[in-house]
Amino acid sequence: GAVVSQHPSWVICKSGTSVKIECRSLDFQATTMFWYRQFPKQSLMLMATSNEGSKATYEQGVEKDKFLINHASLTLSTLTVTSAHPEDSSFYICSAREPSGTDGELFFGEGSRLTVL
Amino acid sequence: AQSVTQLDSQVPVFEEAPVELRCNYSSSVSVYLFWYVQYPNQGLQLLLKYLSGSTLVKGINGFEAEFNKSQTSFHLRKPSVHISDTAEYFCAAGIKAAGNKLTFGGGTRVLVKP
Repeated sequence: GAVVSQHPSWVICKSGTSVKIECRSLDFQATTMFWYRQFPKQSLMLMATSNEGSKATYEQGVEKDKFLINHASLTLSTLTVTSAHPEDSSFYICSAREPSGTDGELFFGEGSRLTVL
Repeated sequence: AQSVTQLDSQVPVFEEAPVELRCNYSSSVSVYLFWYVQYPNQGLQLLLKYLSGSTLVKGINGFEAEFNKSQTSFHLRKPSVHISDTAEYFCAAGIKAAGNKLTFGGGTRVLVKP
């Protein structure tokens, strides 16, 4: 199947700093990628839809100025957590759909665990 | 809006015993249904999917699920579990007309005991 990779897999930062997480589709082009957030022992919550060459679409309640998403190429989307605080600590997962694949079927990255001290 | 409910947050099961994870969805339109597995500190891996056609779907690692439209359910089953099946399992639904947006259930943690 298609491969989606995230980097870094884990990151620890000080409160007030910004952190960038990358999501890459390794063997296919993804015009759309999705960013999810997962708190411990909870389900995935969609944060935003990343569209190549245009602005991301954020879900209700997600601060777009806090979570900056850039989808500059067909294989890369980045999520930047700006001025991170301890409550931003979470597991962030990206996903993408292979163009030739089925609607709704997504391939997920390995996830990035962010810990803000 | 659609929702996905996984009725059991945790399921302990002995090795080589069968397991069933329950999933119900609410949608008035056609949906795609998926089961994903998540191992600790990892992303999600697709186990199986229902798109259309046969209501019994077979996936990887010996898992299967049955789509029941009248009961709006998509329960996951495995006849004999292994220790390595210990993981978190997520049911997800996507509306066919809505492209790639998935709604996830709350997850079911399966703990396989020796």
